[in-house]
Amino acid sequence: EIVMTQSPATLSVSPGERATLSCRASQSVSSNLAWYQQKPGQAPRLLIYGASTRATGIPARFSGSGSGTEFTLTISSLQSEDFAVYYCQQYNNWPPGFTFGPGTKVDIK
Amino acid sequence: QVQLVQSGAEVKKPGASVKVSCKASGYTFTSYGISWVRQAPGQGLEWMGWISAYNGNTNYAQKLQGRVTMTTDTSTSTAYMELRSLRSDDTAVYYCARAHRLYSSGDYWGQGTLVTVSS
Repeated sequence: EIVMTQSPATLSVSPGERATLSCRASQSVSSNLAWYQQKPGQAPRLLIYGASTRATGIPARFSGSGSGTEFTLTISSLQSEDFAVYYCQQYNNWPPGFTFGPGTKVDIK
Repeated sequence: QVQLVQSGAEVKKPGASVKVSCKASGYTFTSYGISWVRQAPGQGLEWMGWISAYNGNTNYAQKLQGRVTMTTDTSTSTAYMELRSLRSDDTAVYYCARAHRLYSSGDYWGQGTLVTVSS
């Protein structure tokens, strides 16, 4: 099974600042990598798919990059509504199944 | 607009089964598949599997193979996920998500269904 790791576990950022989140796969997942945002009590929301394509309705301040085993989600200027947990997911290897990273919590500094 | 509406919370005893539904609207149901993802309390996300609403083909996570069955009813645009032989560690919020094909992300998600397994 492909193991996804995310760093840091928690990122404290001030509104208006830039946030950079990392995701690493234990083996290549090509560009089959998605990023999701989840707020407490809500379902995940798709932000990025194909490692770098923004999903419908996602603001341009969200951008994704990377391929193979190293990926980055960048939020260029954090807004109050961006404080949440962010998960990466690989959807390249089945079986055994697609896997998520443990998440990065972005909170207010 | 695309909507996925899931059935309500369930409480089950260990060893029982649960069946969660996910009713889709706002798109052509058979043009997409449905993925199921679960989240234990305070934990991360776990992919459970995917079903094609076009032909019913399924792909399950290896660790759940034999305990999970995913089906669809195209007449009502509803997907179902049944999990059998429930254990306490199956306690989680279960989500459905629209996914165009197996190797794709979930672009629209249901609101989640809490399944509690307790004696």
